[in-house]
Amino acid sequence: DGGITQSPKYLFRKEGQNVTLSCEQNLNHDAMYWYRQDPGQGLRLIYYSQIVNDFQKGDIAEGYSVSREKKESFPLTVTSAQKNPTAFYLCASSRLFQETQYFGPGTRLLVL
Amino acid sequence: GESVGLHLPTLSVQEGDNSIINCAYSNSASDYFIWYKQESGKGPQFIIDIRSNMDKRQGQRVTVLLNKTVKHLSLQIAATQPGDSAVYFCAENSFNYGQNFVFGPGTRLSVLP
Repeated sequence: DGGITQSPKYLFRKEGQNVTLSCEQNLNHDAMYWYRQDPGQGLRLIYYSQIVNDFQKGDIAEGYSVSREKKESFPLTVTSAQKNPTAFYLCASSRLFQETQYFGPGTRLLVL
Repeated sequence: GESVGLHLPTLSVQEGDNSIINCAYSNSASDYFIWYKQESGKGPQFIIDIRSNMDKRQGQRVTVLLNKTVKHLSLQIAATQPGDSAVYFCAENSFNYGQNFVFGPGTRLSVLP
């Protein structure tokens, strides 16, 4: 059963804490993406990776970090520098960059 | 469930009627477009796509129309069902620019019984 998985579904962050969101895909896609979704707005790109061991900043990368050590995995860390982290985070992948993107189920991050 | 968008435009249709959802895109150089459906608290699902060398593309119960002259994209859903209730948004891209997709904020479709 191929697809994209994200975990956890809900995540709570305390002030000053770094948290990591997981994204895994078994579609053999080269490109992976992280988006942030806020009410009433379109998806905003945080980071993307076109290939293993390479990634680029998106439009709103400040306060976030990523790694791409394996083709299947693209974890996102929300650092304490991100002052407004409450949002719905979506991971996506595509066969190649700029091709059709398929999304995971999302992680909702809440601040305690 | 959580709301995907609290202040999105809303389209309400009767079950069984046809729905038309519109999207105005910004970049005249965009040459690839996708429609996604997002149910509350879930990730977006791919519905249908269209390239700029086409004006119309049909899928199962859905049709996408592209008017490049006025930079307008529409999604038509035939015989709308309760399960169609969701937020629908479009995405545009231009392969020539080497950039990522731009996503619209979406329209909430509400199907009335």
